[in-house]
Amino acid sequence: DSGVTQTPKHLITATGQRVTLRCSPRSGDLSVYWYQQSLDQGLQFLIQYYNGEERAKGNILERFSAQQFPDLHSELNLSSLELGDSALYFCASSVSIGYNEQFFGPGTRLTVL
Amino acid sequence: SQQGEEDPQALSIQEGENATMNCSYKTSINNLQWYRQNSGRGLVHLILIRSNEREKHSGRLRVTLDTSKKSSSLLITASRAADTASYFCATDATSGTYKYIFGTGTRLKVLA
Repeated sequence: DSGVTQTPKHLITATGQRVTLRCSPRSGDLSVYWYQQSLDQGLQFLIQYYNGEERAKGNILERFSAQQFPDLHSELNLSSLELGDSALYFCASSVSIGYNEQFFGPGTRLTVL
Repeated sequence: SQQGEEDPQALSIQEGENATMNCSYKTSINNLQWYRQNSGRGLVHLILIRSNEREKHSGRLRVTLDTSKKSSSLLITASRAADTASYFCATDATSGTYKYIFGTGTRLKVLA
């Protein structure tokens, strides 16, 4: 158990809908990262937050947004969902903003029908 | 495009044999990390090697880094069935953004 929790574990929804994925980092970790893993794209970095502020952005679509709250939990919002958004979404956390080990949550499997 | 590319994409070996997988990357890095992922589960950090290090060991794992060739290798010695998983290398961008780019992974299958 990495200490990172993600909810829900599974999510099934329809195209055009909006969903929110939630992540609680390990106790004491200030950085949160979001990744998308689909079969044909590997693990794609989406966005990073550090202590409430956005610090790095990857291949995140405009339909997606995220935030980190004062209690350090983070939410990833996905809107106007398309079939291609079906994937595993992982959250990871690390102690600080530097180059260090990331601890991954168990992921949320999103299926868009 | 991916910063890290693992090779081979898939590897099947017998229990007790050694497994070697490689990672190549394109730009200068501060460090390189290896992660393991069991099917459909979260990634688990294995080892981090900094750009000024050439080799690092952790239990049955040995990682080498050749910055002149922009490549790294992960060696798992005396493999076990429990080592069956996908292995990813992750490289940072030196632009100071602190984001990591993961390769597409090597799927290792260890046969009992």
